[in-house]
Amino acid sequence: AQTVTQSQPEMSVQEAETVTLSCTYDTSESDYYLFWYKQPPSRQMILVIRQEAYKQQNATENRFSVNFQKAAKSFSLKISDSQLGDAAMYFCAYTGGSYIPTFGRGTSLIVHP
Amino acid sequence: ETGVTQSPTHLIKTRGQQVTLRCSSQSGHNTVSWYQQALGQGPQFIFQYYREEENGRGNFPPRFSGLQFPNYSSELNVNALELDDSALYLCASSMGQGLGSPLHFGNGTRLTVT
Repeated sequence: AQTVTQSQPEMSVQEAETVTLSCTYDTSESDYYLFWYKQPPSRQMILVIRQEAYKQQNATENRFSVNFQKAAKSFSLKISDSQLGDAAMYFCAYTGGSYIPTFGRGTSLIVHP
Repeated sequence: ETGVTQSPTHLIKTRGQQVTLRCSSQSGHNTVSWYQQALGQGPQFIFQYYREEENGRGNFPPRFSGLQFPNYSSELNVNALELDDSALYLCASSMGQGLGSPLHFGNGTRLTVT
């Protein structure tokens, strides 16, 4: 079974600074997708960014980018120019051949003004 | 475009009772999945419905069951509630079953079992 590990229960960053959230996963599959979801205190989880395993180029969405290291099974999220609205729980997720998403336990991001 | 809506937002039930949670999928989405999120944990996959058929199930007992209707809305039913069933229940919809299909979540239903 696939596992997703987020080793940082909590991270903090100063407004306008850069922060990186870590995620590692375990799989024997070659075709899969990785996702980062954000869950603000209001609870509605939204997609931040996704990466297809076959694409070597790291995905980027505005201030959010990933560092995808397939061999190392690592998928970190970098948030540049952090804003107060970035404060939330961030979940890393994996979807492979079973089409069943596996989520990590989440990282709570605190943004200090 | 109408997003994913869940009802009710909060629910308190007694151990042994049954509960039904409801979810309306985002317009144009034909796949619905349900998740249990315990406090301080990530969402755990319960099951998924595609075009009214269950086509994936996580490690949950049979007392967790569901339905998907022709309009792609869905229900999650939990029988014989246990204290450990207390959690946030999330519904998500997506277009199709592609690996890369992003999930669109509702606000969730907070279930408390006493």
